[in-house]
This record gives sequence, C-alpha cells and structure tokens, in this order.
Amino acid sequence: AQKITQTQPGMFVQEKEAVTLDCTYDTSDPSYGLFWYKQPSSGEMIFLIYQGSYDQQNATEGRYSLNFQKARKSANLVISASQLGDSAMYFCAMREGLTGGGNKLTFGTGTQLKVEL
Amino acid sequence: KAGVTQTPRYLIKTRGQQVTLSCSPISGHRSVSWYQQTPGQGLQFLFEYFSETQRNKGNFPGRFSGRQFSNSRSEMNVSTLELGDSALYLCASSPQGDQANEKLFFGSGTQLSVL
Repeated sequence: AQKITQTQPGMFVQEKEAVTLDCTYDTSDPSYGLFWYKQPSSGEMIFLIYQGSYDQQNATEGRYSLNFQKARKSANLVISASQLGDSAMYFCAMREGLTGGGNKLTFGTGTQLKVEL
Repeated sequence: KAGVTQTPRYLIKTRGQQVTLSCSPISGHRSVSWYQQTPGQGLQFLFEYFSETQRNKGNFPGRFSGRQFSNSRSEMNVSTLELGDSALYLCASSPQGDQANEKLFFGSGTQLSVL
C-alpha cells in the first residue's frame, strides 16, 4: 500500500482564491511527522509546513495551513490568496518515528498547481 | 547563510561509466540525505549520513554508495551506470536529523542523464 497518496495530479486555481491540495497517509507508527514541500521548475524543494502526529492544533505558516484529520489519516494543504508564484509541484511527505529516526522521508507523487489570472 | 549546494548541476554519462555527485550542506548541519527523483518512481530515499556514518539506507542496489567527510560535505557515487539511473538527484541537509519537526533543506539537485 502507498504510504502517502496524493490523488490530484493537477490543479488549477484563480489568482487570489484559496486552494486545497489533498494528502492521505498510511502508517502504524503512532509517532510521525507530515511535511509539505513545493518544487518550482528550478528543481529545488522548498519547505512549506510541518504537522506532528501529537500536535493538537493545525499548523499554519503564513498563507499555508494544514488541515490535519488524524482519524481519517489526511493532511491537506490549504493555500490562501493564491499568487502566480505559487505555480509549482507540491509534495506531501512523512517521517515515521519522531525521535532518532533520521531524515528518511516518504514522498507522495505530487500535485502540479497552476495559478491563473 | 548559504543554502545547500550541489555540483555539478548537469551531467551526461554513458552506460557503464561511474559518476560522483557532490553536496555541501548548510553550515552547521550534520545530517545529509540523498534522494532520487524520476518521472516514473517519484522521489525515493537513497541514504542518510550523520557524523561521517551512514545512518539510514533506502532500497537501492549496491551500485549506489555515498560518504560524508568531517566537514559534513557528502558525495554519492553510482558505478556501472544504467539508463534507468537517469534522474534528478537531490541532496538535503538538517542540523541533527533527530528532531520531530526538523526541516530538511534541499539543494537544486544534479540532473544526471545516462545515454
């Protein structure tokens, strides 16, 4: 079974509108962390937001927020007030074992977001 | 503060050759990880080094190897290149690699083409 599932290969959004990118995960480890990264055409992966499995509140970082539903094993990224510069590939990733687990991340297949005027 | 630097940016090799990719982490970061990105397989973890020791390893053949130097710089080597090794190789660094919410900072990658 896929550990990280992103079911939207491509998404379009109008500038200034909000968009939600879906991510579901599968793990039996009670301790895990969920990340979202952005990859523009230049190739570099840019960290956006993090959510720990024991965090009580949904994470927010500026225009990015994470809609974390633990029982449903989903961690959707919400981008508010989309900008043209948000056009990129977005990856959801998971680290299992919160402490001492090293930096092994499992990535989803990504969602290509296109922001239109 | 300089980011993660990967060299070279592009490489073209032929089947059977070997290649070495270099990664300089952010100053002070001791954990360096390598990932392979292909259109077919997506992003896959290769290995992680911390304090010159391999701490984690992904599911790749022994042709893929790496090392880390005392200044935390890392190299990865691929021997006997195959066409399927064509990929973007991304390096990531973090301070320790053992904290729950520790971010990974990625470089721009090395695009390897095997002909």
